[in-house]
Amino acid sequence: QKEVEQNSGPLSVPEGAIASLNCTYSDRGSQSFFWYRQYSGKSPELIMSIYSNGDKEDGRFTAQLNKASQYVSLLIRDSQPSDSATYLCAFPTGNTPLVFGKGTRLSVIA
Amino acid sequence: SAVISQKPSRDICQRGTSLTIQCQVDSQVTMMFWYRQQPGQSLTLIATANQGSEATYESGFVIDKFPISRPNLTFSTLTVSNMSPEDSSIYLCSVDGTASGDYGYTFGSGTRLTVV
Repeated sequence: QKEVEQNSGPLSVPEGAIASLNCTYSDRGSQSFFWYRQYSGKSPELIMSIYSNGDKEDGRFTAQLNKASQYVSLLIRDSQPSDSATYLCAFPTGNTPLVFGKGTRLSVIA
Repeated sequence: SAVISQKPSRDICQRGTSLTIQCQVDSQVTMMFWYRQQPGQSLTLIATANQGSEATYESGFVIDKFPISRPNLTFSTLTVSNMSPEDSSIYLCSVDGTASGDYGYTFGSGTRLTVV
């Protein structure tokens, strides 16, 4: 059974700080991982994907993957109030549709 | 990435009635997915809709309650039948962009359903 675990938060960080969001997964066969951002009342928006162990950087966002530990994280540098949202991690297995974590609610305090 | 038009964006319905949600994609896609997001919860997959075959439903979801149509490669509908207040949720359609080089899923704007 595929499971994704996330700390539901809320996670509060001051503006300009680094926000760290974490996700663990149960399926060792997973090869790709995605981070989605969902603003209140909106649909999820893909912000990062990662397929290999290590770090992947895109602007202020860095995704980190450790397949041995079955752990994926998202770092947001220089956090802004506009980053306040729920962040969902998700992964497929083969042709299986995406399984989503429950999401972590991030609040960036100005 | 694919652009999905979903409608209606929201509706308030009487219990016992049905609502059909439509999703139109601006490109041809093999699979479309329907998710439900209950208040304060994450996304739960309802079913996968393939063109030319019956939808594949996840555990806990049945065709009689959530009939799905997929008449072509750019369009799908989800009907929520015989609604009860427990069906109040956001319903989202989604497509996999991998085949076109976009990784991850793209979502429609969602349908916020309230059953009274």
